[in-house]
Amino acid sequence: AQSVAQPEDQVNVAEGNPLTVKCTYSVSGNPYLFWYVQYPNRGLQFLLKYITGDNLVKGSYGFEAEFNKSQTSFHLKKPSALVSDSALYFCAVSGYNQGGKLIFGQGTELSVKP
Amino acid sequence: DAGVIQSPRHEVTEMGQEVTLRCKPISGHDYLFWYRQTMMRGLELLIYFNNNVPIDDSGMPEDRFSAKMPNASFSTLKIQPSEPRDSAVYFCASSQQSFYGYTFGSGTRLTVV
Repeated sequence: AQSVAQPEDQVNVAEGNPLTVKCTYSVSGNPYLFWYVQYPNRGLQFLLKYITGDNLVKGSYGFEAEFNKSQTSFHLKKPSALVSDSALYFCAVSGYNQGGKLIFGQGTELSVKP
Repeated sequence: DAGVIQSPRHEVTEMGQEVTLRCKPISGHDYLFWYRQTMMRGLELLIYFNNNVPIDDSGMPEDRFSAKMPNASFSTLKIQPSEPRDSAVYFCASSQQSFYGYTFGSGTRLTVV
């Protein structure tokens, strides 16, 4: 069965510093990996995805993520955090034979302080 | 494109009442998903459809929950009878293919008192 783990419930970062939000996954076969962001009282918004190809994926709002097959990880990163990046971040995984089903992690609350 | 449209945005109902949540997916998307979000359990997949056919309903918590997709542009999630523990935010999402990712609606915040 496929699964996703986000080991940190909360990440605190000072504005201007780099940020990392961690994600590890388990899936049969090659994974499809996604990051979503949720602002208060809103639905989830797509940030970026890895399907195949270059291990470093660039997405919206300056975010990027690195796929590491040997460590089964897909950490979200940003070189310089903004206060407006404060939100709830979800990692999700699917697989080729998973019938289109995405499994989400528990979410990580990112707090960026001025 | 108006995106995925859910209604109502908020619903407050009394225990024992029937509740119906509605979703209009993005035109051309073949997959439709219903998720429930709570503080305790995070995002749970309840059921999903492919080309209007239910594929996996293993996440539906009880027989009180049912979902239908009578056509490509409309789906409902019904809870009958509702209970306080059903209070949550219910999201609908649609997708073209699994590797495209989902587009989520804004959700319905359900409160059962």
